[in-house]
Amino acid sequence: QSVLTQPPSASGTPGQRVTISCSGSSSNIGSNYVYWYQQLPGTAPKLLIYRNNQRPSGVPDRFSGSRSGTSASLAISGLRSEDEADYYCAAGDDSLSGVVFGGGTKLTVL
Amino acid sequence: QVQLVESGGGVVQPGRSLRLSCAASGFSFRSYDMHWVRQAPGKGLEWVAVISYDGSNKYYADSVKGRFTISRDNSKNTLYLQMNSLRVEDTAVYYCAKPDLSCSGGSCYGPDYWGQGTLVTVSS
Repeated sequence: QSVLTQPPSASGTPGQRVTISCSGSSSNIGSNYVYWYQQLPGTAPKLLIYRNNQRPSGVPDRFSGSRSGTSASLAISGLRSEDEADYYCAAGDDSLSGVVFGGGTKLTVL
Repeated sequence: QVQLVESGGGVVQPGRSLRLSCAASGFSFRSYDMHWVRQAPGKGLEWVAVISYDGSNKYYADSVKGRFTISRDNSKNTLYLQMNSLRVEDTAVYYCAKPDLSCSGGSCYGPDYWGQGTLVTVSS
């Protein structure tokens, strides 16, 4: 049971916009930055969004993040087949002085 | 460029021990806290432990507290995870990860760089 709650799956067709939600509490998302990762099969997670809504260099602007209260979301616009992957949210958690993750969302591009 | 290379994984029997290493390069290792994160087969990511930049503070997930020990050698740019009393449920790919920012005032930050991971299999 993950501390952050994500939907287990999401889907969309090429060109569509999809959003993935991440719900937490006051000790994590409510008081700390949110991070988003993309994980392709057999590879390490890759940072997509940091500090709620910042994109590392090299990440397309099709990816965007937002945070409101104790929830956050990742939006992917102009969906492409290569976006098919697992997506995870993460945030610091003040109650354990560590980091907590969502259970992951498997994105399927139909 | 930041590089994190884990080693030390393998197959081990329940109750035995294993030590993982993570060699870091491309950034000022001694300036950053460092994390271990694991992923069981077919499952999600689970934070395991964090160590402060100077090794003075260490925090663990409840699932490993008392069994795992995180440490570092800043002279060697290397992070370690000593795993004792291993259980079948510890089977996972273990990643070392550099955080975006070091923990501050009890608040920590997510990783921005990850190693490729090392697989630990606990089985009789």
